This record gives sequence, C-alpha cells and structure tokens, in this order.
Amino acid sequence: LAKTTQPISMDSYEGQEVNITCSHNNIATNDYITWYQQFPSQGPRFIIQGYKTKVTNEVASLFIPADRKSSTLSLPRVSLSDTAVYYCLVGDITDKLIFGTGTRLQVFP
Amino acid sequence: DSGVTQTPKHLITATGQRVTLRCSPRSGDLSVYWYQQSLDQGLQFLIQYYNGEERAKGNILERFSAQQFPDLHSELNLSSLELGDSALYFCASSVGPPNGNEQFFGPGTRLTVL
Repeated sequence: LAKTTQPISMDSYEGQEVNITCSHNNIATNDYITWYQQFPSQGPRFIIQGYKTKVTNEVASLFIPADRKSSTLSLPRVSLSDTAVYYCLVGDITDKLIFGTGTRLQVFP
Repeated sequence: DSGVTQTPKHLITATGQRVTLRCSPRSGDLSVYWYQQSLDQGLQFLIQYYNGEERAKGNILERFSAQQFPDLHSELNLSSLELGDSALYFCASSVGPPNGNEQFFGPGTRLTVL
C-alpha cells in the first residue's frame, strides 16, 4: 500500500476554495485515490475517488497529475460545516483502507 | 444515514470483561470492516469479512475476534478488556470487490473500560 503524506491542519474562511494536497510517491498502477471526510465522533464519509486527471462530483473535485504522485482535493466555497478531518487514501480497489492522520480543516466565519 | 447500523451506541464495562459489538451492513453489501479509533492512534483497520469469510486482517489483537454470519451481519468480540481498549469502534460495509472500495461507515460504538 502506498504511503500518503498530507498537511496536519489547514485554516480557511467561509466562502473560500480550499485545496488539500496529498503526496503518494509510491502509488502503484492499480491504485485508486480516495478521500474521506470525518466529523467528530462520526464515521468517515466517502467524498470522492479517482484514478487520473480530474474527477468532479456535487461536493468536491479531485485533481490528479499525469505522474499520479500527488493529488489535490478541492472544496469550493467552504462553509462552517466543512470543518472536519479529511483523509487521503491510496490503494487497489480490493485493498483494505489504511487511514493516515488526515488533515484537520478549520473553517472560520 | 449511511444505512449501516451498530449496536450498542455506548458501552461501559470493567477491565477483564468481555463485550460483543454488533453491525448490520447496508442492504446488498457483502463486505464488512471493523475499525478502532482512539484519541492517540487515529483510525485503525482491524479486520474485513467478505460474504462470511475473513478477507483481510489489520492491527487486531489476539483478545479480539470477529465473524460475519450468513445473514451478513457481523460481530466483534473483545475479551479481557484493558483500559487502553477504550475507543470508538466503527463498522463499515461495501459492495465488495471488484466493485470499488467505497465504504459506508456506521455511527460507531463508544466503548469505555473502567
């Protein structure tokens, strides 16, 4: 399983776009990149998953460069309710999930 | 609501005791995963079952065991409990390979060992 590195914490203000970058230098050919969100005392929630280029859904975008050694989760116009921990995971779709320490995002009014 | 249910929501017990945590996956999901989240260790993968069979093992202690039943619900048994076992225990489910690994997490069981 590829090791991931992401910032421990980030601060933002309401209405701003937030970009959280994750590096995964040892990503394998079969690995997907998946992001989860977790609020305190709740289970993580799937946000988005991608393999290459760009993926967009109703809540976020995921940018993956051609070499796939990093990825960026983009949250447009964050609100206070986006304050949470965001986890980047890399692995084959059949792999168990290995959660790192995640990025603690704090959104201020 | 993820569709995954866990019981009980809270559990308070004493050291040396044994407890059973229960999980019902989303309808149609064949894979069940168990995770432990404590303040100092983050979210740790314990074990995965797929359609009744153990598929992957993580940092699960020998005092802990799990199983998945024919109706696909799962139970996590924790025995000889220690203070350090106090944590949130999450169950998650997914359709299962090879259909992607999006996991749906339950609300968790908060275990307190006194």
